[in-house]
Amino acid sequence: EDKVVQSPLSLVVHEGDTVTLNCSYEVTNFRSLLWYKQEKKAPTFLFMLTSSGIEKKSGRLSSILDKKELFSILNITATQTGDSAVYLCAVPPRGKAAGNKLTFGGGTRVLVKP
Amino acid sequence: GAVVSQHPSRVICKSGTSVKIECRSLDFQATTMFWYRQFPKQSLMLMATSNEGSKATYEQGVEKDKFLINHASLTLSTLTVTSAHPEDSSFYICSARAHGSTEAFFGQGTRLTVV
Repeated sequence: EDKVVQSPLSLVVHEGDTVTLNCSYEVTNFRSLLWYKQEKKAPTFLFMLTSSGIEKKSGRLSSILDKKELFSILNITATQTGDSAVYLCAVPPRGKAAGNKLTFGGGTRVLVKP
Repeated sequence: GAVVSQHPSRVICKSGTSVKIECRSLDFQATTMFWYRQFPKQSLMLMATSNEGSKATYEQGVEKDKFLINHASLTLSTLTVTSAHPEDSSFYICSARAHGSTEAFFGQGTRLTVV
């Protein structure tokens, strides 16, 4: 059974701090790893990672994948209160039969205090 | 990115009634749609996967007669919660995937409260 584990479960930081979120996975036939940000409603897409060692950046957010050690990290630099959210990582399995259903990690709840 | 519209965003219903939630892909054809349920402060739990024109595949522990899923067209899937009970109160989210794509796009979610 595919497994995705995120850590820490939650963290509280102050504006301007940098946070690093971890996502480790055990998946048969890995294809990609997805990061989402969830505030009050449905998750919004952040990154899709397929190749090891290539950092993806979007503003103050960046993410990288290590396919050898089976994990990914999501970094947020110079955090702002608007970064407060639950960050989810998810892995879709390879193969038609799987229907590409996503296996989600438990999420990391980030609270950024002013 | 692609847009998935979920409706209604919020619904309150009485115990014993049925509620239908719609999920539409607005600018792409969604060959596969997924329905998730999320309890407070927990991650998304997949309920079922539906492919256009065929029966949905339900995850273990999800009652197919209670959570009816229909995916009649490439742009619309519906989830009907039948004979709703207060314990069905939850946040329900759909996501849609185009053929050949890895990325799934989420609807805005529906908060269901059964009183």
